[in-house]
Amino acid sequence: QPVLTQSSSASASLGSSVKLTCTLSSGHSSYIIAWHQQQPGKAPRYLMKLEGSGSYNKGSGVPDRFSGSSSGADRYLTISNLQSEDEADYYCETWDSNTRVFGGGTKLTVL
Amino acid sequence: QLQLQESGPGLVKPSETLSLTCTVSGGSISSSSYYWGWIRQPPGKGLEWIGSIYYSGSTYYNPSLKSRVTISVDTSKNQFSLKLSSVTAADTAVYYCARVDGYCSGGSCYDDVLSGWGQGTLVTVSS
Repeated sequence: QPVLTQSSSASASLGSSVKLTCTLSSGHSSYIIAWHQQQPGKAPRYLMKLEGSGSYNKGSGVPDRFSGSSSGADRYLTISNLQSEDEADYYCETWDSNTRVFGGGTKLTVL
Repeated sequence: QLQLQESGPGLVKPSETLSLTCTVSGGSISSSSYYWGWIRQPPGKGLEWIGSIYYSGSTYYNPSLKSRVTISVDTSKNQFSLKLSSVTAADTAVYYCARVDGYCSGGSCYDDVLSGWGQGTLVTVSS
């Protein structure tokens, strides 16, 4: 089954941009993933579905500041014009026949 | 818009069975467009998928929990449920129910992206 690897933490300044990475394990580089955001004390929120081609589809109400891209086994979430409310944990997720896995999550701090 | 709401006891004794229900509102649980799932998150830790179910009753589970997990669906009540047996303190977590997009092709149906979350409910395992 696939494994997803994420950096444990990231930080960026208010108003700047940040690019978070989720890396698929060997043999799974073509997989589609999803990004989810979890603000402190809240349930996760679905952000987008991201394909290996870099094409992505965002969930309802997700701001334009959020975008996705891909390169090989890496899947990226870019947040532009960082706002204080973007301080959260970000999880990537993927799925295969009869299984579903999450990455360990990246804690984003907005400075 | 589809909404999900978990319900069930917040405290379960060790060795007993944890039981939770997720009520779906704003749409039908019998839609061929969705699967339904359970995910949990121990305090301060990451997300762990528990299992998923289709309205037909077809299920699949996390191999690490499979021997203790049962997920079922009640289409008459627009609900699906989770049972986790022989719980220990390690099962203490916030439990989320979720909506998974699905599609059918060539006579078979498949799950796709997890696109909706319930608000979660904390279950503590303690005597």
